[in-house]
Amino acid sequence: DARVTQTPRHKVTEMGQEVTMRCQPILGHNTVFWYRQTMMQGLELLAYFRNRAPLDDSGMPKDRFSAEMPDATLATLKIQPSEPRDSAVYFCASGSPGPLDTQYFGPGTRLTVL
Amino acid sequence: GDSVTQMEGPVTLSEEAFLTINCTYTATGYPSLFWYVQYPGEGLQLLLKATKADDKGSNKGFEATYRKETTSFHLEKGSVQVSDSAVYFCALSNNAGNMLTFGGGTRLMVKP
Repeated sequence: DARVTQTPRHKVTEMGQEVTMRCQPILGHNTVFWYRQTMMQGLELLAYFRNRAPLDDSGMPKDRFSAEMPDATLATLKIQPSEPRDSAVYFCASGSPGPLDTQYFGPGTRLTVL
Repeated sequence: GDSVTQMEGPVTLSEEAFLTINCTYTATGYPSLFWYVQYPGEGLQLLLKATKADDKGSNKGFEATYRKETTSFHLEKGSVQVSDSAVYFCALSNNAGNMLTFGGGTRLMVKP
């Protein structure tokens, strides 16, 4: 049963520290998405990759957030420096090739910035 | 641009009650429509989908029919269970890149 995996599942850090979240998309999927979920804002799209190239990162605060795909099996989301308002659950999702297929979500990383 | 509007929650029902969660959309062309479910502490999971007008998606007793004339995709279940308690998201896809536009989510609470 192929699944998207994310690490770590939980992260508690102090303001100003660097945070790196990792995602392993489903093998063969060529699109990867990063989302942030909070009670106040709901589900927000942060970044979107196709074939490892960033296509849309307009939802991401550029000054502190960065997203990369070093290879087809790894996507990373980095926050430097982290702030309390970054506390949220961060989801990665991947999609299979094809015009009408959908996204498959990972279990999320719950980030708490103190 | 594309948008999805869902009824606000929470929706609280007793076990075995009938469920309807309303979803309407605005989009150009002919989008595909989806319902996702998020159980506590988990990521979103695809519940059902429909790719063209009048299609009915169904899964686990849930159904939704793609109504182009009313731009709606309402989620229904005839008899809910406590285990259906979750947040439900309506979404649409209007391109070939798997990009989804989500509604705000509707929390369902089912009481025994």
